[in-house]
Amino acid sequence: DVKVTQSSRYLVKRTGEKVFLECVQDMDHENMFWYRQDPGLGLRLIYFSYDVKMKEKGDIPEGYSVSREKKERFSLILESASTNQTSMYLCASSAPGRTYEQYFGPGTRLTVT
Amino acid sequence: AQSVTQLDSHVSVSEGTPVLLRCNYSSSYSPSLFWYVQHPNKGLQLLLKYTSAATLVKGINGFEAEFKKSETSFHLTKPSAHMSDAAEYFCVWGGTASKLTFGTGTRLQVTL
Repeated sequence: DVKVTQSSRYLVKRTGEKVFLECVQDMDHENMFWYRQDPGLGLRLIYFSYDVKMKEKGDIPEGYSVSREKKERFSLILESASTNQTSMYLCASSAPGRTYEQYFGPGTRLTVT
Repeated sequence: AQSVTQLDSHVSVSEGTPVLLRCNYSSSYSPSLFWYVQHPNKGLQLLLKYTSAATLVKGINGFEAEFKKSETSFHLTKPSAHMSDAAEYFCVWGGTASKLTFGTGTRLQVTL
């Protein structure tokens, strides 16, 4: 079974802090994704990556950046956390040829105070 | 923009009764459509997928969905609800560049 793990289940940070959210997948998937999930809004794509060192902006990239130095790891960075970035963050991965079948991690609930 | 609309934010059914979760899509061409499920404190899981091979799609746990082009709908159904079906369900449109566009979600409550 594909396993996608996220570094923290819950995280509390202060406004202005730099925040790193880590995601690791163990199935050698090329594609990796970061979403945020908010009540009533569903999931919105922040960034995605097709390969190591490749990244593409999603629908809401403002205030975020990403890093993919190794195939199995995809990091989401909040350069200067703000209260409106309080949310559930979900990481996902998918294999080439089955790119619509995404495997999700359990999520990180980030609270910015 | 291509999108999906989930018509109900919350659905409540009794155990053993049918489930209907409604989803309409807007697209100028035949899309790829999916349903994902999110159980409390668990990651999202693919429930079923439509990719134009057959209009009636069967998924896991007894769920199925029918693609109706004339109605631009992709409703999710199950003949008999079980308590373990309580979760949030997302209708998802598969766009270009491997991107998924999620609906806003429908929370299914199952009561005794």
